[in-house]
Amino acid sequence: KAGVTQTPRYLIKTRGQQVTLSCSPISGHRSVSWYQQTPGQGLQFLFEYFSETQRNKGNFPGRFSGRQFSNSRSEMNVSTLELGDSALYLCASSLARGGNYGYTFGSGTRLTVV
Amino acid sequence: KQEVTQIPAALSVPEGENLVLNCSFTDSAIYNLQWFRQDPGKGLTSLLLIQSSQREQTSGRLNASLDKSSGRSTLYIAASQPGDSATYLCAGPIENTGTASKLTFGTGTRLQVTL
Repeated sequence: KAGVTQTPRYLIKTRGQQVTLSCSPISGHRSVSWYQQTPGQGLQFLFEYFSETQRNKGNFPGRFSGRQFSNSRSEMNVSTLELGDSALYLCASSLARGGNYGYTFGSGTRLTVV
Repeated sequence: KQEVTQIPAALSVPEGENLVLNCSFTDSAIYNLQWFRQDPGKGLTSLLLIQSSQREQTSGRLNASLDKSSGRSTLYIAASQPGDSATYLCAGPIENTGTASKLTFGTGTRLQVTL
Protein backbone atom coordinates (compact mmCIF):
# COMPACT_ATOMS: atom_id res chain seq x y z
CA LYS A 1 0.00 0.00 0.00
CA ALA A 2 1.20 3.50 -0.75
CA GLY A 3 2.96 5.39 2.01
CA VAL A 4 2.81 9.04 2.92
CA THR A 5 3.52 11.17 -0.14
CA GLN A 6 4.98 14.63 0.14
CA THR A 7 5.43 17.00 -2.77
CA PRO A 8 7.58 18.59 -3.90
CA ARG A 9 10.74 16.91 -2.65
CA TYR A 10 12.88 20.01 -3.00
CA LEU A 11 12.13 23.72 -3.16
CA ILE A 12 14.25 26.82 -3.44
CA LYS A 13 12.54 30.09 -2.62
CA THR A 14 13.59 33.69 -2.10
CA ARG A 15 13.08 35.59 1.13
CA GLY A 16 9.68 37.21 1.28
CA GLN A 17 8.01 34.69 -0.99
CA GLN A 18 5.42 32.19 0.13
CA VAL A 19 5.37 28.43 -0.33
CA THR A 20 2.83 25.62 -0.20
CA LEU A 21 3.76 22.04 0.64
CA SER A 22 1.50 19.06 0.09
CA CYS A 23 1.02 15.80 1.98
CA SER A 24 -1.11 12.82 1.01
CA PRO A 25 -1.55 10.44 3.95
CA ILE A 26 -1.87 6.68 3.82
CA SER A 27 -5.27 5.70 2.54
CA GLY A 28 -7.70 5.54 5.47
CA HIS A 29 -5.55 7.66 7.76
CA ARG A 30 -7.41 10.70 9.00
CA SER A 31 -4.80 12.43 11.15
CA VAL A 32 -2.03 14.45 9.52
CA SER A 33 0.72 16.21 11.45
CA TRP A 34 3.54 18.43 10.27
CA TYR A 35 7.04 18.76 11.69
CA GLN A 36 9.99 20.99 10.95
CA GLN A 37 13.49 19.57 11.21
CA THR A 38 16.59 21.75 11.43
CA PRO A 39 20.13 20.91 12.56
CA GLY A 40 19.88 23.34 15.46
CA GLN A 41 16.38 22.65 16.78
CA GLY A 42 15.83 19.05 15.78
CA LEU A 43 12.27 17.93 15.06
CA GLN A 44 9.59 20.37 16.14
CA PHE A 45 5.84 19.96 15.94
CA LEU A 46 4.01 22.43 13.72
CA PHE A 47 0.37 21.36 13.74
CA GLU A 48 -2.06 18.47 13.56
CA TYR A 49 -5.18 18.13 11.47
CA PHE A 50 -8.02 15.70 11.91
CA SER A 51 -11.34 15.72 10.10
CA GLU A 52 -10.41 18.94 8.32
CA THR A 53 -9.89 20.78 11.61
CA GLN A 54 -6.67 21.94 13.20
CA ARG A 55 -6.55 20.10 16.53
CA ASN A 56 -3.19 21.13 17.89
CA LYS A 57 -0.59 23.76 17.07
CA GLY A 58 3.07 24.10 17.94
CA ASN A 59 4.95 27.22 18.89
CA PHE A 60 5.43 28.73 15.45
CA PRO A 61 4.51 32.21 14.16
CA GLY A 62 1.30 32.83 12.29
CA ARG A 63 3.21 32.77 8.99
CA PHE A 64 2.90 29.01 9.23
CA SER A 65 -0.56 27.74 8.43
CA GLY A 66 -2.18 24.64 7.07
CA ARG A 67 -5.37 22.97 6.11
CA GLN A 68 -6.81 19.55 5.51
CA PHE A 69 -9.21 18.53 2.80
CA SER A 70 -12.13 16.11 2.94
CA ASN A 71 -9.94 13.35 1.47
CA SER A 72 -7.48 13.89 4.37
CA ARG A 73 -4.79 15.39 2.13
CA SER A 74 -3.12 18.30 3.81
CA GLU A 75 -1.23 21.38 2.77
CA MET A 76 0.94 23.71 4.78
CA ASN A 77 1.74 27.23 3.78
CA VAL A 78 4.55 29.50 4.87
CA SER A 79 4.21 33.16 3.99
CA THR A 80 6.88 35.87 3.96
CA LEU A 81 9.70 33.35 3.98
CA GLU A 82 12.76 33.97 6.13
CA LEU A 83 16.20 32.41 5.86
CA GLY A 84 15.52 30.56 9.12
CA ASP A 85 12.63 28.71 7.51
CA SER A 86 15.10 26.60 5.57
CA ALA A 87 14.47 23.09 6.84
CA LEU A 88 13.21 19.63 6.10
CA TYR A 89 9.43 19.61 6.50
CA LEU A 90 7.99 16.25 7.40
CA CYS A 91 4.42 15.09 7.30
CA ALA A 92 3.13 12.21 9.40
CA SER A 93 -0.14 10.36 9.13
CA SER A 94 -1.95 8.22 11.64
CA LEU A 95 -5.12 6.20 11.59
CA ALA A 96 -6.64 8.30 14.35
CA ARG A 97 -5.71 10.96 16.90
CA GLY A 98 -3.72 10.32 20.01
CA GLY A 99 -0.94 8.21 18.57
CA ASN A 100 -2.60 4.90 19.47
CA TYR A 101 -1.62 3.51 16.11
CA GLY A 102 1.74 5.18 15.73
CA TYR A 103 2.78 7.55 13.00
CA THR A 104 4.07 7.01 9.47
CA PHE A 105 6.25 9.73 8.01
CA GLY A 106 6.77 10.86 4.46
CA SER A 107 10.15 11.51 2.83
CA GLY A 108 9.87 15.21 3.48
CA THR A 109 10.17 18.42 1.52
CA ARG A 110 13.55 20.13 1.67
CA LEU A 111 12.96 23.88 1.62
CA THR A 112 15.86 26.23 1.02
CA VAL A 113 15.29 29.97 1.39
CA VAL A 114 17.89 32.20 -0.25
CA LYS B 1 7.01 20.17 29.41
CA GLN B 2 8.09 16.80 28.06
CA GLU B 3 11.79 16.46 27.33
CA VAL B 4 13.28 13.42 25.68
CA THR B 5 16.99 12.67 25.86
CA GLN B 6 18.91 10.04 23.95
CA ILE B 7 22.25 8.64 25.01
CA PRO B 8 24.77 8.30 23.48
CA ALA B 9 24.59 11.09 20.92
CA ALA B 10 26.86 9.13 18.60
CA LEU B 11 28.11 5.59 18.51
CA SER B 12 30.53 3.69 16.28
CA VAL B 13 30.70 -0.09 16.48
CA PRO B 14 32.23 -2.85 14.37
CA GLU B 15 29.93 -5.06 12.36
CA GLY B 16 28.41 -7.93 14.31
CA GLU B 17 28.27 -6.22 17.68
CA ASN B 18 25.11 -6.04 19.75
CA LEU B 19 24.26 -2.57 20.96
CA VAL B 20 21.79 -0.64 23.10
CA LEU B 21 20.43 2.83 22.49
CA ASN B 22 18.86 4.69 25.38
CA CYS B 23 15.94 7.10 25.53
CA SER B 24 14.74 8.87 28.67
CA PHE B 25 11.77 11.16 29.11
CA THR B 26 10.79 13.52 31.89
CA ASP B 27 7.03 13.08 31.79
CA SER B 28 6.07 9.56 32.87
CA ALA B 29 2.60 10.17 31.50
CA ILE B 30 3.94 9.22 28.09
CA TYR B 31 1.22 7.47 26.19
CA ASN B 32 3.29 5.22 23.99
CA LEU B 33 6.73 5.30 22.45
CA GLN B 34 7.91 4.90 18.89
CA TRP B 35 11.41 4.33 17.58
CA PHE B 36 12.41 5.64 14.18
CA ARG B 37 15.49 5.60 12.02
CA GLN B 38 16.49 8.41 9.71
CA ASP B 39 19.01 8.14 6.90
CA PRO B 40 20.80 11.36 5.89
CA GLY B 41 18.48 13.76 4.10
CA LYS B 42 15.57 11.33 4.27
CA GLY B 43 12.32 11.04 6.16
CA LEU B 44 11.69 8.91 9.22
CA THR B 45 11.15 5.17 9.05
CA SER B 46 9.15 3.66 11.89
CA LEU B 47 10.89 0.73 13.55
CA LEU B 48 8.81 -0.20 16.57
CA LEU B 49 5.78 1.13 18.43
CA ILE B 50 5.36 0.24 22.08
CA GLN B 51 1.83 0.82 23.26
CA SER B 52 1.12 2.15 26.73
CA SER B 53 0.00 -1.26 27.98
CA GLN B 54 3.05 -3.05 26.58
CA ARG B 55 6.56 -3.33 27.94
CA GLU B 56 8.39 -4.36 24.82
CA GLN B 57 8.19 -5.04 21.12
CA THR B 58 10.37 -7.08 18.79
CA SER B 59 10.96 -6.98 15.07
CA GLY B 60 13.72 -9.08 13.58
CA ARG B 61 17.03 -8.03 15.12
CA LEU B 62 15.40 -5.14 16.98
CA ASN B 63 13.91 -5.18 20.45
CA ALA B 64 12.55 -2.13 22.23
CA SER B 65 11.43 -1.89 25.83
CA LEU B 66 9.48 0.74 27.71
CA ASP B 67 9.52 1.40 31.46
CA LYS B 68 7.16 4.27 32.13
CA SER B 69 7.83 4.32 35.86
CA SER B 70 11.50 5.05 35.35
CA GLY B 71 10.97 7.17 32.26
CA ARG B 72 13.16 5.01 30.04
CA SER B 73 13.11 3.11 26.80
CA THR B 74 15.87 1.11 25.19
CA LEU B 75 16.40 -0.10 21.65
CA TYR B 76 18.50 -3.24 21.35
CA ILE B 77 20.05 -4.05 17.98
CA ALA B 78 21.49 -7.53 17.62
CA ALA B 79 24.31 -8.47 15.26
CA SER B 80 24.69 -4.98 13.82
CA GLN B 81 25.27 -4.52 10.08
CA PRO B 82 26.64 -1.59 8.04
CA GLY B 83 23.09 -1.05 6.73
CA ASP B 84 22.04 -0.19 10.29
CA SER B 85 24.08 3.02 10.07
CA ALA B 86 21.62 5.88 10.54
CA THR B 87 20.27 8.25 13.17
CA TYR B 88 17.86 6.64 15.59
CA LEU B 89 15.13 8.70 17.19
CA CYS B 90 12.66 7.93 19.94
CA ALA B 91 9.41 9.84 20.25
CA GLY B 92 6.18 9.71 22.13
CA PRO B 93 3.01 11.64 22.71
CA ILE B 94 2.22 12.56 26.26
CA GLU B 95 -0.88 11.08 27.85
CA ASN B 96 -3.70 11.54 25.42
CA THR B 97 -5.82 14.29 26.93
CA GLY B 98 -7.52 14.93 23.65
CA THR B 99 -5.51 18.05 23.09
CA ALA B 100 -1.96 16.79 23.19
CA SER B 101 -1.55 14.19 20.51
CA LYS B 102 1.80 15.33 19.18
CA LEU B 103 5.17 13.63 19.19
CA THR B 104 8.03 14.93 21.27
CA PHE B 105 11.27 13.74 19.76
CA GLY B 106 14.53 12.82 21.37
CA THR B 107 17.80 14.33 20.33
CA GLY B 108 18.79 11.22 18.36
CA THR B 109 21.68 8.76 18.36
CA ARG B 110 23.87 8.71 15.27
CA LEU B 111 25.01 5.12 14.73
CA GLN B 112 27.84 4.04 12.48
CA VAL B 113 28.54 0.36 11.94
CA THR B 114 31.96 -0.25 10.44
CA LEU B 115 33.21 -3.22 8.44
